[in-house]
Amino acid sequence: LAKTTQPPSMEAYEGQEVNVSCSHTNIATSEYIYWYRQVPHQGPQFIIQGYKDYVVNEVASLFISADRKLSTLSLPWVSLRDAAVYYCIVTDIDSGGSNAKLTFGKGTKLSVKS
Amino acid sequence: AQTIHQWPVAEIKAVGSPLSLGCTIKGKSSPNLYWYWQATGGTLQQLFYSITVGQVESVVQLNLSASRPKDDQFILSTEKLLLSHSGFYLCAWSYWGGAETLYFGSGTRLTVL
Repeated sequence: LAKTTQPPSMEAYEGQEVNVSCSHTNIATSEYIYWYRQVPHQGPQFIIQGYKDYVVNEVASLFISADRKLSTLSLPWVSLRDAAVYYCIVTDIDSGGSNAKLTFGKGTKLSVKS
Repeated sequence: AQTIHQWPVAEIKAVGSPLSLGCTIKGKSSPNLYWYWQATGGTLQQLFYSITVGQVESVVQLNLSASRPKDDQFILSTEKLLLSHSGFYLCAWSYWGGAETLYFGSGTRLTVL
């Protein structure tokens, strides 16, 4: 499984767009990129996943570089509720597997100021 | 819609006492189920997973055990708690084995004194 590197922390003001980067230089062709976030005292919540190019949903967008070694999670118009730890996870989808191979690192702690 | 419920919300227990934490998933038949543990300030560690009733696989040994007595229920337990068991316990489910989208419960905060 590819190792990921994220900044340990970030700060933003309400209403700003926030971009959280994740480096995965050893990503394999079978691996996908997942983003989760965890607010204090709650379980992680799935945000978005992608394999290449650009993915967008109602919560966030995900840009993946052409060589797939870097991904950027973009959160538009952050609010205080977006303060959380954001995890970038790279793992392969094994259709024959029985265990979700999610390894959570330390993530990026996003602080949002009013 | 699927829902996941963990109980209790929090526990304060003495070292050496037994523990039982539970998790119930509604609205999804035969989910894959998982237990995770997070020490205060630490990273999430997967402890167990189960793909069917009666079958549980251990991922990390922490002197804990898990069981799946029903399709929608996952239990984490131990006969004797250690100080190192303190932390945040999370139950999660996924649609199928290998699906990396996990849906987590709200967790149980365990304090061992």
